[in-house]
Amino acid sequence: EVQLVESGGGLVQPGGSLRLSCAASGFTFSSHNMYWVRQPPGKGLVWVSRLNSDGRTTTYADSVRGRFTISRDDSKNTLYLQMDSLSAEDTAVYFCGRGIVGDSVAFDLWGQGTVVTVSS
Amino acid sequence: QSALTQPASVSGSPGQSLTISCTGASVDSYYYVSWYQRYSGKAPTLLIYDVNKRPSGVSNRFSGSKSGNTASLTISGLQAEDEADYYCCSYAGRDTYVVFGGGTKLTVL
Repeated sequence: EVQLVESGGGLVQPGGSLRLSCAASGFTFSSHNMYWVRQPPGKGLVWVSRLNSDGRTTTYADSVRGRFTISRDDSKNTLYLQMDSLSAEDTAVYFCGRGIVGDSVAFDLWGQGTVVTVSS
Repeated sequence: QSALTQPASVSGSPGQSLTISCTGASVDSYYYVSWYQRYSGKAPTLLIYDVNKRPSGVSNRFSGSKSGNTASLTISGLQAEDEADYYCCSYAGRDTYVVFGGGTKLTVL
């Protein structure tokens, strides 16, 4: 089955760290750019980060740059998001998304999301 | 505040056609506009990409277009199952990369 499954969310104190994982299956993971998108409570979707299929080209939203690190392990078909110096504003459901193949920017497969709550 | 502006809510009756707008500078600048449907508690799904392309498996009742800085998602033959949240998205350049709209809640009356 073609799917993405996120894990690693939970409750963390302000200033703490979490590492999210996104396990891919059913498709050639290494061929796709991959993304993280989040949805804060009661708000819309917000793009967080992207990592190209080359494993080197990354981009971050201003709100997370310098605190979050995106990475991938193609041998494990897994995308990661290391989140440090967390604050309440990082509380959200975090989704990983698969970039559509070709000269386009769109997400053609999403996971169900993992909840991150930053609170003391 | 989202970089793309969508109406917070729209509503329509079964069988009607309905359009959701999405306005922002990046829409005018790039052709990489996409639309997503999200049912509460579920993963988003891609409806439209590159302004007006439909992935395989998406109903042809969904169509996309853009004019200037406004993109539009049109749903024809509205059905009860279309009741969901809809998000537009646009490429916004190498640094900002991607921006989303705030989402539109569609209610089928």
